[in-house]
Amino acid sequence: DIQMTQSPSTLSASVGDRVTITCRASQSVNNWVAWHQQKPGTAPKLLIYKASSLQSGVPSRFSGSGSGTEFTLTISSLQPDDFATYYCQQYNTYSWTFGQGTKVEI
Amino acid sequence: ELQLVESGGGLVKPGGSLRVSCAASGYTFSHTWMSWVRQTPGKGLEWVGRIKSKNDGGTTDYAAPVKGRFIISRDDSQKTLYLQMNSLQTEDTAVYYCTTYAFDIWGPGTMVTVSS
Repeated sequence: DIQMTQSPSTLSASVGDRVTITCRASQSVNNWVAWHQQKPGTAPKLLIYKASSLQSGVPSRFSGSGSGTEFTLTISSLQPDDFATYYCQQYNTYSWTFGQGTKVEI
Repeated sequence: ELQLVESGGGLVKPGGSLRVSCAASGYTFSHTWMSWVRQTPGKGLEWVGRIKSKNDGGTTDYAAPVKGRFIISRDDSQKTLYLQMNSLQTEDTAVYYCTTYAFDIWGPGTMVTVSS
């Protein structure tokens, strides 16, 4: 299976901060990476697909970049609603794998 | 509005069986490939398996830890996805989510606890 390694595991930030989360794949996944946001007790919510495409309805302060094995999720100006856990996911193969998550906290 | 809702979770003893369901509404379920994903505090999010649409053969694929024990099926007339779980182990304890193959729609999840 392709391993997805996220960093950092936890991130402390303030409202208005620019936040960057990194995800590294154990082998090339081309651009087949998605990013999800999850809040406690709820299902993941798709933010970004195909590495850099913004899902409909997601605020433009979220952006994704990267290709091959290195990917980044950026929140340009952190808002109170953004404190959550973020997961990267590869779908280059039908056997999806997820990163271990990055918790963004105050 | 496109929606998925799981049901059928609960407490089951090791070695037991359980079937969870995922009811879809608001879109053309029959054309959609579907997946199950589970989440545990220890292992995070884990893909369980998928089923293609009947138009594309209706075949299934499974993750190694559940292959041979879990069965995914669908009833397009009822717009329902199923996950039959057999020979359950304590490691199968998780919240089980159904999701579209584009992972843009997720159900709220159903908790399955395997414990004696």
